[in-house]
Amino acid sequence: GAVVSQHPSWVICKSGTSVKIECRSLDFQATTMFWYRQFPKQSLMLMATSNEGSKATYEQGVEKDKFLINHASLTLSTLTVTSAHPEDSSFYICSARSTRGETQYFGPGTRLLVL
Amino acid sequence: SQQGEEDPQALSIQEGENATMNCSYKTSINNLQWYRQNSGRGLVHLILIRSNEREKHSGRLRVTLDTSKKSSSLLITASRAADTASYFCATDETSGSRLTFGEGTQLTVNP
Repeated sequence: GAVVSQHPSWVICKSGTSVKIECRSLDFQATTMFWYRQFPKQSLMLMATSNEGSKATYEQGVEKDKFLINHASLTLSTLTVTSAHPEDSSFYICSARSTRGETQYFGPGTRLLVL
Repeated sequence: SQQGEEDPQALSIQEGENATMNCSYKTSINNLQWYRQNSGRGLVHLILIRSNEREKHSGRLRVTLDTSKKSSSLLITASRAADTASYFCATDETSGSRLTFGEGTQLTVNP
């Protein structure tokens, strides 16, 4: 099956710093990638939809200047959490939809802890 | 926003028993998908059922879809301890290309 990787798998940072998370589709091309956030014992909340070569579409309530998304190629999207604060601590998961398919394939997630 | 509601929120059964989880949604959909998530891990795609399908099987999984009631069910037969995980339904809405996830069901299969 299709594989999506995320890097890093976990990160601890100080408040005020920026953190970049990478999402890669390893064996297929993804015109669309999605970024989700999941708090403990809760469901996934869509943050933004990332389209290759264009600006990301953010969900209501998600600050685009705080969560910078870049989808520069058909296999890579990045999420940068700028000036991170403790309340940004969460599990961030990306997914990718292939150019031909209906299924989204999810990465293993990145656990962010902001101290 | 989350449109899916799942019940039960938590389910605990013995190994060998069947587990049924339900999902309801509110809008028109292209398809509905079920995912599994082990604690602290990413999601694994289990099965996709299209809006014009009523039932689908994959191994020990059986999914039904009733678009008139806007509901779906996931049945896991002959459960195993390794099936312990959270199960989420997600709807692919006709109005957009994104998935909207339900609240999830935490399944515990006791050996």
